[in-house]
Amino acid sequence: SAVISQKPSRDICQRGTSLTIQCQVDSQVTMMFWYRQQPGQSLTLIATANQGSEATYESGFVIDKFPISRPNLTFSTLTVSNMSPEDSSIYLCSVVGAREEDYNEQFFGPGTRLTVL
Amino acid sequence: AQTVTQSQPEMSVQEAETVTLSCTYDTSENNYYLFWYKQPPSRQMILVIRQEAYKQQNATENRFSVNFQKAAKSFSLKISDSQLGDTAMYFCAFMKGGSTLGRLYFGRGTQLTVWP
Repeated sequence: SAVISQKPSRDICQRGTSLTIQCQVDSQVTMMFWYRQQPGQSLTLIATANQGSEATYESGFVIDKFPISRPNLTFSTLTVSNMSPEDSSIYLCSVVGAREEDYNEQFFGPGTRLTVL
Repeated sequence: AQTVTQSQPEMSVQEAETVTLSCTYDTSENNYYLFWYKQPPSRQMILVIRQEAYKQQNATENRFSVNFQKAAKSFSLKISDSQLGDTAMYFCAFMKGGSTLGRLYFGRGTQLTVWP
């Protein structure tokens, strides 16, 4: 399995500010994913982060609002820019297991609970 | 486009009883995978069970089993001998095979409560 940590675990921010969320994996992985889970809702994919290339964003999400970095195979950041109360959500990163026995299993970080006032 | 539908927003079951959570999906793909994830109040997403579409045999993991009906595009989860620790939100998820491996499509979830 892959062990994923996220920082911060939670934060309360003022509108108009930005927050960068970090995701660290204990093994090298090709693809990392960022999901948003709004209160009481399911998970929605924001973007796929590949090392060495631009992130691929899903419909409704743009790079200016959610810039992503992927400097190496174990780390990624997601920035939530110019925040508004509608950005209050849990943000989760995930990876697909790299080992043969993990193939096709997706592992999730513990999530970052963001509240925007 | 892929869609996943969970028609039961909430379910409850008494401890030691059996409960079945429903999931249907829509896809034109032939190569795909289906998952059930559990999200307890801690928010951690935990994989419960996985099914490869090319496998006819239903997946089983201890007290958890699925009824995979490929033609009907149905993927229900049965929890036997329910335990208080099974209380959580359960998400059904779909993943295409091939080059887009890893991108999950989630249903809206079913909140399961196990009571003593």
